Amino acid sequence: DAGVTQSPTHLIKTRGQQVTLRCSPKSGHDTVSWYQQALGQGPQFIFQYYEEEERQRGNFPDRFSGHQFPNYSSELNVNALLLGDSALYLCASTRPAGQGAFGNTIYFGEGSWLTVV
Amino acid sequence: KNEVEQSPQNLTAQEGEFITINCSYSVGISALHWLQQHPGGGIVSLFMLSSGKKKHGRLIATINIQEKHSSLHITASHPRDSAVYICAVRTSGNQFYFGTGTSLTVIP
Repeated sequence: DAGVTQSPTHLIKTRGQQVTLRCSPKSGHDTVSWYQQALGQGPQFIFQYYEEEERQRGNFPDRFSGHQFPNYSSELNVNALLLGDSALYLCASTRPAGQGAFGNTIYFGEGSWLTVV
Repeated sequence: KNEVEQSPQNLTAQEGEFITINCSYSVGISALHWLQQHPGGGIVSLFMLSSGKKKHGRLIATINIQEKHSSLHITASHPRDSAVYICAVRTSGNQFYFGTGTSLTVIP
């Protein structure tokens, strides 16, 4: 059973460019969350997708957008990249809390390292 | 103020020592997770707690819901335990809040 898979693993972009990161959740999971982790910091919640809709959003600007597909996979898009967007972007999957997920664990992908130069 | 606070931020121990990492949180939770992050970014869930205590090998996690506090203990620490340990809480709305992590180095 594949866990959460993310691509690409590493990428370098230029300031002002746009980037798309991809995530496939663990089999049986339909809720995907995205996190940004700067060096030396804990992950910061960007947003969560369930049933192809953004359900919750953290304190990130509109430059950060996402999408969830019918097969539950998800994309994170960042427009007009800034140097400060350089970070590890983590995708995690869970089952929704309302579906007996109390006590469900969270599964993380290996992350996508984004460097903006 | 962060919803989840961890201490200490950095910890160095000699092999064999007993280690404790603490986590306090300020939001209502449905579960608390202890995560381990190795260099390179991979995160693994060690424990998920809603009450009491759990043990897995040399790792023990406890939670006090009333005091909004959890601890992760490592007995007989080993260099391979060196990693960042992150406390994360899950709200009833299925949102996670993370601590900034405790960087543990175990010296042989």
